[in-house]
Amino acid sequence: EIVLTQSPDFQSVTPKEKVTITCRASQSIGSSLHWYQQKPDQSPKLLIKYASQSISGVPSRFSGSGSGTDFTLTINSLEAEDAATYYCHQSSSLPFTFGGGTKVEIK
Amino acid sequence: QVQLQESGPGLVKPSQTLSLTCTVSGGSISSGSYYWSWIRQPAGKGLEWIGRIYTSGSTNYNPSLKSRVTISVDTSKNQFSLKLSSVTAADTAVYYCARSPRERGVVATYFDYWGQGTLVTVSS
Repeated sequence: EIVLTQSPDFQSVTPKEKVTITCRASQSIGSSLHWYQQKPDQSPKLLIKYASQSISGVPSRFSGSGSGTDFTLTINSLEAEDAATYYCHQSSSLPFTFGGGTKVEIK
Repeated sequence: QVQLQESGPGLVKPSQTLSLTCTVSGGSISSGSYYWSWIRQPAGKGLEWIGRIYTSGSTNYNPSLKSRVTISVDTSKNQFSLKLSSVTAADTAVYYCARSPRERGVVATYFDYWGQGTLVTVSS
């Protein structure tokens, strides 16, 4: 099973600041890494697919990068509505796994 | 717009079988273009993929749950279902159904549509 390790677990950020979340895979997964945003009492929402591909309707301040074992989700100019927990997910091999999540709080 | 909706009992007794159904609207589950998955999330914790099914009935399960899980599809009702046997308190979670596009040459893709989730509590 591929383990995804996210860091940090928690981040408190001021609006308009830049947020960087990392996801490290226990073995190489190419670009088979996707990012989701989950707000309280809501289901996860797809933000980025295949490490860096944008999703229609997702604000352009969200971007992703990386390949192999190291990946990054960046939120440029954080807005209040971005308060949420962010998860990475690998689809390279079964069983599909998720990172432990990064909670982003707005100061 | 595709929508997924989970349904089933919110309370299950220990040792019994948890049964949930996901109803898909706005698209056909028989299209052959998607996999249909179950994912769960204990309160305050992360996401765990349970398993998936394809229109043909082909399934993949998480090895950690494989001995207790059965996922099936009913194309006539545009639904797929989850059965988890011998439940314990550790199976208490919000259960989501989700869709992932099927792409040639890859094991799997991303989850592009999710249900709203349904809380299942295991308690006597």
